[in-house]
Amino acid sequence: EPEVTQTPSHQVTQMGQEVILRCVPISNHLYFYWYRQILGQKVEFLVSFYNNEISEKSEIFDDQFSVERPDGSNFTLKIRSTKLEDSAMYFCASSEFRVFSNQPQHFGDGTRLSIL
Amino acid sequence: AQSVTQLGSHVSVSEGALVLLRCNYSSSVPPYLFWYVQYPNQGLQLLLKYTSAATLVKGINGFEAEFKKSETSFHLTKPSAHMSDAAEYFCAVTGGPGGYNKLIFGAGTRLAVHP
Repeated sequence: EPEVTQTPSHQVTQMGQEVILRCVPISNHLYFYWYRQILGQKVEFLVSFYNNEISEKSEIFDDQFSVERPDGSNFTLKIRSTKLEDSAMYFCASSEFRVFSNQPQHFGDGTRLSIL
Repeated sequence: AQSVTQLGSHVSVSEGALVLLRCNYSSSVPPYLFWYVQYPNQGLQLLLKYTSAATLVKGINGFEAEFKKSETSFHLTKPSAHMSDAAEYFCAVTGGPGGYNKLIFGAGTRLAVHP
C-alpha cells in the first residue's frame, strides 16, 4: 500500500539554526499537510498546501516557517531559526482531493525534532 | 469553531474485554469524523471515518464507531480487546467553517491491554 515517507526520523539541531524536514507524499495525492505534536500534547495543524500554494495555515505557522514542493515528489517544511519550543514530532500528511473533506489524510511516521 | 473532546487520557482493559473510547465533538455544521491510531514510534494510521453515509462505521482491526448526532458523540468500540490493540487513539474532526482541509484532533486516549 502506498505510504507517506518522512526523513530524517530524528533531527537534532542547535537553537537558531535552520532545519528542513522532508516528506514524500503518496504519488497521486494533491493536498499536503504538516502537523506537529509537542511531547504530551495534542496533534496540531500547521499548514495545508495545494496547487503549489498554501491553502490554510494556523497561528503557529509564523514567518519562521515555510513550505515548498521543490519537485514533483517532495514536500518540505523549513524552520528558519529554530527555538527550543520547536522541539516536537512533525508529521506530514497527504490526501487525494478536497471537494468533500471526508477524504482521509494519510500520515507519515514523523520526524522527531530536538532543539538544543 | 470545531473541537474534539476525548474523555479519559488513559484506559486500561483486560484482554478479551470490551474497549470503549469516548469522543465528543463540537461543530456548527455536520462534521466529518475520524479515528486514528498511533503505535509507539509510528505515525497516525486511519482506523475509520464517518462521512454521513451510515451512522455505524466499521474500521480496521475489528473497531467500529457510532455517530450519534443527538449526543454529539463518535465513540470507538471493539468487542474483545487484544494485546496488539495497545496504542494511543485519536479522534479528529474536519469540515465546515474554520477547517475544510485541516484535522482538529482530540488529546488522545492511551489504551493499555493487560493479560
